[in-house]
Amino acid sequence: ETGVTQSPTHLIKTRGQQVTLRCSSQSGHNTVSWYQQALGQGPQFIFQYYREEENGRGNFPPRFSGLQFPNYSSELNVNALELDDSALYLCASSFSGGSLRYNEQFFGPGTRLTVL
Amino acid sequence: AQSVTQLDSHVSVSEGTPVLLRCNYSSSYSPSLFWYVQHPNKGLQLLLKYTSAATLVKGINGFEAEFKKSETSFHLTKPSAHMSDAAEYFCVVSDIGGGFKTIFGAGTRLFVKA
Repeated sequence: ETGVTQSPTHLIKTRGQQVTLRCSSQSGHNTVSWYQQALGQGPQFIFQYYREEENGRGNFPPRFSGLQFPNYSSELNVNALELDDSALYLCASSFSGGSLRYNEQFFGPGTRLTVL
Repeated sequence: AQSVTQLDSHVSVSEGTPVLLRCNYSSSYSPSLFWYVQHPNKGLQLLLKYTSAATLVKGINGFEAEFKKSETSFHLTKPSAHMSDAAEYFCVVSDIGGGFKTIFGAGTRLFVKA
């Protein structure tokens, strides 16, 4: 298992509500990425944070936002939840710097979000 | 724009026979390519990665992949399948086109028959 942890493991919300998911990076990693994995599909890239700034984003609307903290942990916030937001949300950490680009990402176990 | 196409949604092999999972990619920059495996109710695990060094990449559990730029392919192979290899496999491309992005393929489900 990786050293990436996510909380909570499961969450149930209703449409229109807001949710915050949390992720702790593996030790020594400074970059965090978030993914949405719908049932039976591959993970979809939401965004990546490096040095507390977003440095890449997939095709997700602005109601998906994030933060990275000085200790490299991260939050994913989703506002105005929709039924289609029901999915497994994965956090991945990696190290970026020097000649190491696009280094491998280590994934957490995910948070299962259900929107009713 | 980046894209990843896994050419087979399902592959079924017998134990002890070779495995071939096919992946084509498109990228405007020099990408890094990865294969990840996801066992049922378990997290994603890195099998191997290509980052512009050797084109033949060896990974864990006997898997390897060859980067072929002319064919824009990164197929995953294993000489002899084991029952424990049954899982979902994802081909992944990362590059900086338009900001950093990582794109996963749709996945290939590998079935291994006894």
